[in-house]
Amino acid sequence: QVQLVESGGGVVQPGGSLRLSCAASGFTFTNFGMHWVRQAPGKGLEWVGHIRYEGITKYYVDSVKGRFTISRDISQNTLYLQMNSLRPEDTAVYFCTKDLSGTWASEYWGQGTLVTVSS
Amino acid sequence: QSALTQPASVSGSPGQSITISCTGTSSDVGSYNLVSWYQQYPGKAPKLMIYDVTKRPSGVSNRFSGSKSGNTASLTISGLQADDEADYYCCSYVGRNLVVFGGGTQLTVL
Repeated sequence: QVQLVESGGGVVQPGGSLRLSCAASGFTFTNFGMHWVRQAPGKGLEWVGHIRYEGITKYYVDSVKGRFTISRDISQNTLYLQMNSLRPEDTAVYFCTKDLSGTWASEYWGQGTLVTVSS
Repeated sequence: QSALTQPASVSGSPGQSITISCTGTSSDVGSYNLVSWYQQYPGKAPKLMIYDVTKRPSGVSNRFSGSKSGNTASLTISGLQADDEADYYCCSYVGRNLVVFGGGTQLTVL
């Protein structure tokens, strides 16, 4: 069965960096695109970005463009989100999700990892 | 790109039907049949309930259905049950390789 397990969250100061990981299993990692979606405490869902199945093309919401980078390691079946220049408004639970091919929908979700940006 | 507009809350009694709306514009919801809906319980990850406006993933009850008219997509839950009480989010591809969520709707089963 499909499993997505995020890790790497924690507390970081404004301006700092953090790298989130998402270990994927139960499907052929190279056949599917992946998304990152976040949820600030008590707030709604916000799409952060997407990496296509080929692992080369990536898209981001404007608010993180130039600061966040999505990548993957196919040898480890792991998705990453490198977050730089973090701001307090980036505080959220970050979910990785598996794309339902051709639909831009998130078919499977991890349990999420909390990132807190605070001094 | 602005968030899609959902009512903050809806409610219904067991056995009734409710509909949650999700309003966008002619540039997003109105242009693409790529609307999805998610159910989220407090402290849990969301679950995909509907994709491509009307399609249900395997395992999702047929009490859940989706539709779209113009710039507004809708999620209908029929035969309301106590465990349907959750937050519901719509989501749409909005062009330029971007995705936007709605603000979320809290469903209360009375």
